[in-house]
Amino acid sequence: AQSVAQPEDQVNVAEGNPLTVKCTYSVSGNPYLFWYVQYPNRGLQFLLKYITGDNLVKGSYGFEAEFNKSQTSFHLKKPSALVSDSALYFCAVRDIAGDYGQNFVFGPGTRLSVLP
Amino acid sequence: NAGVTQTPKFQVLKTGQSMTLQCAQDMNHEYMSWYRQDPGMGLRLIHYSVGAGITDQGEVPNGYNVSRSTTEDFPLRLLSAAPSQTSVYFCASSYSSGGIGGTEAFFGQGTRLTVV
Repeated sequence: AQSVAQPEDQVNVAEGNPLTVKCTYSVSGNPYLFWYVQYPNRGLQFLLKYITGDNLVKGSYGFEAEFNKSQTSFHLKKPSALVSDSALYFCAVRDIAGDYGQNFVFGPGTRLSVLP
Repeated sequence: NAGVTQTPKFQVLKTGQSMTLQCAQDMNHEYMSWYRQDPGMGLRLIHYSVGAGITDQGEVPNGYNVSRSTTEDFPLRLLSAAPSQTSVYFCASSYSSGGIGGTEAFFGQGTRLTVV
């Protein structure tokens, strides 16, 4: 079965510093990887995805993610963090070969706090 | 374009009561899903639908029922509420992946349910 791990419950970073939110995955076929962000009392918003092609994927709000097949990782990055980036971040894989009809499998989430 | 609309936003139920969480999307998406979000566990799939008239169970279906009579609507029914069903519930929709997996999901704002 597919699975997604986010090894850090919480990431703290100072405003203006680069940030990284880590994600590793386990899939049986091609990985279709996504990052979502959740602001307080809101639904999940799509940030970016990796389907195929370049390993560095650019997304919304200045975020990017690097796909590394050998390390089975898909870390989310931003060169300069903003206080407004503080939120809960979810990594997900679309489970094409899984038991639940191509649905998404989510990691547990990482809370990012950007300190002014 | 409203996207995915969930109602109600908040609900308090007594143990044993039943209720229906509503979800509607206006993007003509084939796929619709219900997830529950619990701290430290990410989002877990309850039920999903790949089109009108077709539903199936996800990872945690017990105590919940769904139907999909139209493409737009996908209500979730709690048959006899239990305290263990206290959670935040999200409805999501997406285009069919077509076996490629590249389409992201769109989420509603969530329903915060408390069962006392």
